[in-house]
Amino acid sequence: DTAVSQTPKYLVTQMGNDKSIKCEQNLGHDTMYWYKQDSKKFLKIMFSYNNKELIINETVPNRFSPKSPDKAHLNLHINSLELGDSAVYFCASSQGAGYEKLFFGSGTQLSVL
Amino acid sequence: DQQVKQNSPSLSVQEGRISILNCDYTNSMFDYFLWYKKYPAEGPTFLISISSIKDKNEDGRFTVFLNKSAKHLSLHIVPSQPGDSAVYFCAASGAGNTPLVFGKGTRLSVIA
Repeated sequence: DTAVSQTPKYLVTQMGNDKSIKCEQNLGHDTMYWYKQDSKKFLKIMFSYNNKELIINETVPNRFSPKSPDKAHLNLHINSLELGDSAVYFCASSQGAGYEKLFFGSGTQLSVL
Repeated sequence: DQQVKQNSPSLSVQEGRISILNCDYTNSMFDYFLWYKKYPAEGPTFLISISSIKDKNEDGRFTVFLNKSAKHLSLHIVPSQPGDSAVYFCAASGAGNTPLVFGKGTRLSVIA
């Protein structure tokens, strides 16, 4: 029974397309995140939602739009995909919004051609 | 600007010996530190943490040491097992709703 699940696992698409990645957690956590692991292997925070409210929005292009319909879901929609968006995107959740250990999904490998 | 640095991209250790993974940080506001372990095609999983009021935390074969004056922490795994082969990420957090900041990871290979 997967605690944090994200789909799809792999996503290959053309430049300029719009795509979405879905994330769901069944841990009852209040906070969800999107992290990006780029080619240099850094894991960087993109967004954080606490009880459906955006609390962290790092300097991410506005082509990236997170949507949280309820506190168990945090989806990531990306418009006008660019080559530089190719990365692994990880969804995560935690009980609170600070000092908390994160539970990660297995990642979505996005390849923009 | 890398606030959390793992300067060794890889480490190879014989089974049964000690593995020592190092991490340095620059932000003196960090007061909570975590280690995550990641297998290929999986997300990182929490391994062990330490708060700045401690200098050591132990959990089975895993021990984390924190040297605040040197802004340095290390993860010791003893004895190392082949199943420990993974990428280990160091992460740090400050007070309030600050997100975890991760290092680039160190790939540990435990050779049987």
